Amino acid sequence: EVQLVESGGGLIQPGGSLRLSCAASGFTVSSNYMSWVRQAPGKGLEWVSVLYSGGNTYYADSVEGRFTISRDNSKNTLYLQMNSLRAEDTAVYYCAKWNLVGSNALDVWGQGTTVTVSS
Amino acid sequence: DIQMTQSPSTLSASVGDRVTITCRASQSISSWLAWYQQKPGKAPKLLIYKASSLESGVPSRFSGSGSGTEFTLTISSLQPDDFATYYCQQYISYSGNTFGQGTKLEIK
Repeated sequence: EVQLVESGGGLIQPGGSLRLSCAASGFTVSSNYMSWVRQAPGKGLEWVSVLYSGGNTYYADSVEGRFTISRDNSKNTLYLQMNSLRAEDTAVYYCAKWNLVGSNALDVWGQGTTVTVSS
Repeated sequence: DIQMTQSPSTLSASVGDRVTITCRASQSISSWLAWYQQKPGKAPKLLIYKASSLESGVPSRFSGSGSGTEFTLTISSLQPDDFATYYCQQYISYSGNTFGQGTKLEIK
């Protein structure tokens, strides 16, 4: 079964750092394009970052320079390192897989992990 | 950045109704548009991709249309399970994809 499971969320003070993990099963992370998408409480979806299979990375302007997307091929796991966290980074963070063969859309999503930035 | 505008923001309807949600892009995105359904506390679920293609396993009462800057999602006969929030997403570029603000479909 194709599945994504996020972990690593929690309560963190402004200016702090947190690393989110997204463990994949049923497919290979390194062969796919992977993204992080977040949703602030009561708000809509916001794309955060993408990691291409070739290694290129891209970020939303709101997190550029503070967040880093990466992967560990041996663990088949995607990561999001979040530094200099702000209150406006409070959200549920989802990892998701782009379907490069058929839909070219985000066809597999994790259940989400909650990040709360507050003092 | 390409902006996506959905309308309406909230829609009240009854079981059996035909409903349509509109999504407008600030510039042409060809057919690179997806629709997602999200229920409270759950991850989004892909319904429609490339503007009009139905994702495997999604009921045929869902359909999508449009190209360029104007798109619609239609549910032909609302079922109780369909009450949720719907988002459009443009993905003409993976590195700059954007979502609409969402349409909450409520029971009348």
